[in-house]
Amino acid sequence: DAKTTQPNSMESNEEEPVHLPCNHSTISGTDYIHWYRQLPSQGPEYVIHGLTSNVNNRMASLAIAEDRKSSTLILHRATLRDAAVYYCILMLGSNSGYALNFGKGTSLLVTP
Amino acid sequence: KAGVTQTPRYLIKTRGQQVTLSCSPISGHRSVSWYQQTPGQGLQFLFEYFSETQRNKGNFPGRFSGRQFSNSRSEMNVSTLELGDSALYLCASSLIQHSTDTQYFGPGTRLTVL
Repeated sequence: DAKTTQPNSMESNEEEPVHLPCNHSTISGTDYIHWYRQLPSQGPEYVIHGLTSNVNNRMASLAIAEDRKSSTLILHRATLRDAAVYYCILMLGSNSGYALNFGKGTSLLVTP
Repeated sequence: KAGVTQTPRYLIKTRGQQVTLSCSPISGHRSVSWYQQTPGQGLQFLFEYFSETQRNKGNFPGRFSGRQFSNSRSEMNVSTLELGDSALYLCASSLIQHSTDTQYFGPGTRLTVL
């Protein structure tokens, strides 16, 4: 399975933008890039996903490098509620069985 | 629409016992996955069911098993419990089973093995 590498932790000030990086140098052409986050004492929740083009939704933006070997999750204005562990995950692009390979993720600390 | 529900939320067992955890997916979702989360190993995939068939399995011993019913509800069973099985067990459901599907997670069942 293709692997992802993320920094263990990052810190941001409230209302500042946050850029969470992810390296996935062994990504294949059909792997989708997914981001999930896990708030304290909760199950993970979906944030965003993409294949090749940059993606935006109400929660965040996903910037994907042209060679697809890295991506960046962008939180435009961090709030205290965004403090969580963020996971960058590669999903195989097929209709066969699949699983989320979470890895260690990045623990984001947001300070007021 | 109701979210993924898991029962029980907390469970205390002793070594050697067995336990059954239940997961009710979001209405209409046909795929159910199970994950184990521990401080040391993080989130690890256990298995995934789709239309009552196990389609994918993680690297866990045979003491961990599961099943899915015709209404998509799922159960997982752990037999001969060990101290190391203490963990948060998370269930996730998705609409079909595709790499672009969003997985929706339940709150988890916290299992403590004494």
